[in-house]
Amino acid sequence: DAGVTQSPTHLIKTRGQQVTLRCSPKSGHDTVSWYQQALGQGPQFIFQYYEEEERQRGNFPDRFSGHQFPNYSSELNVNALLLGDSALYLCASSPYLLLAGGPRDGKETQYFGPGTRLLVL
Amino acid sequence: DQQVKQNSPSLSVQEGRISILNCDYTNSMFDYFLWYKKYPAEGPTFLISISSIKDKNEDGRFTVFLNKSAKHLSLHIVPSQPGDSAVYFCAASPTGTASKLTFGTGTRLQVTL
Repeated sequence: DAGVTQSPTHLIKTRGQQVTLRCSPKSGHDTVSWYQQALGQGPQFIFQYYEEEERQRGNFPDRFSGHQFPNYSSELNVNALLLGDSALYLCASSPYLLLAGGPRDGKETQYFGPGTRLLVL
Repeated sequence: DQQVKQNSPSLSVQEGRISILNCDYTNSMFDYFLWYKKYPAEGPTFLISISSIKDKNEDGRFTVFLNKSAKHLSLHIVPSQPGDSAVYFCAASPTGTASKLTFGTGTRLQVTL
């Protein structure tokens, strides 16, 4: 059973460019969340997709946008890159049950991918 | 505004001893708390969680304690093993938004021989 996969693993861009990161959720999961982890910090919630719509959003500017496809995979797009966008971008998948505030006994939780490390020069 | 705080950036414990990792939160809307472990070049891995209706949850060597009045939780690892060396993140989510997690800054645990 494949877990959450992300591509690419590493990426180098220059300021002002645009980047697209990709994520495939764990089998059986239909909800995808994206997090940004800056160096020395914990992951910060960017947004979440379910049924191809953005359902929740963290405190990130509109330069950060996303998309979810019918097969539940997702993309994160960042426009007009800034040096401060350099970070590890993590994708997490979960079943819809979590989004709906369903049973939270620890068995159903978010599974994270290995991340994409983005360096903006 | 750091809503979830892990004030100890690092902790060193001898193999076989108890490791205690601490976490404080400020948002009263948080009602579900999780611990994740992260190795270099890997994503965070879920370890254990606790709902606000409980004050303790145990899973093998790992126990999480929740003190709601103090807005404090801790993770106990007994006995500590070298393979436990990793960065541990505390995370919390509010009522009704179970999958929007707010993370602390992490504690690097090193278990020495």
